[in-house]
Amino acid sequence: NAGVMQNPRHLVRRRGQEARLRCSPMKGHSHVYWYRQLPEEGLKFMVYLQKENIIDESGMPKERFSAEFPKEGPSILRIQQVVRGDSAAYFCASSRTSVGTDTQYFGPGTRLTVL
Amino acid sequence: QKEVEQNSGPLSVPEGAIASLNCTYSDRGSQSFFWYRQYSGKSPELIMFIYSNGDKEDGRFTAQLNKASQYVSLLIRDSQPSDSATYLCAFPNSGNTPLVFGKGTRLSVIA
Repeated sequence: NAGVMQNPRHLVRRRGQEARLRCSPMKGHSHVYWYRQLPEEGLKFMVYLQKENIIDESGMPKERFSAEFPKEGPSILRIQQVVRGDSAAYFCASSRTSVGTDTQYFGPGTRLTVL
Repeated sequence: QKEVEQNSGPLSVPEGAIASLNCTYSDRGSQSFFWYRQYSGKSPELIMFIYSNGDKEDGRFTAQLNKASQYVSLLIRDSQPSDSATYLCAFPNSGNTPLVFGKGTRLSVIA
């Protein structure tokens, strides 16, 4: 019974390149959340998606960042023209429902390093 | 902006002692609260959730919620070195879903 899967686990990009992070939710989960954790900081919400829909992107930077969760395949967080400040751990979480008491389970994260 | 406040620590306790981790939150309407544990370099894992005033116990862990004081705590009895981690308090932003996290309290259990 696989949990939330993320790949790659580590990603190194040079400034100006694109970073593409993937997340497959737990089986039976249709709600996906992306969080970012900067060094020595707490987790910050970025975007919440259901299949083919962005529900809440209030935490997403207005430029260079985008997310999708297609009907088939994993959710993807895309960062264009990366800068050093994008270096962080990006965690994906999933839940079965959108009820506030429903648990969000986290994937292992993708550690992005921008050189 | 909804916020969660936690003492960043580090909180050091001797092995076998009770560790007490505290969290205050800004949104009086919040109904449910989650405690996650995060080991260094790892992802958060759920320890407990609580949505009723009072205490909720699970093994060595007890969560306490006081909605009137907007205060939630986590007690760890018989602390072990393996409990050394950062503990994150969180609640849903708007009734449902995206979680608002505190910065976490770093706990160190000394053998």
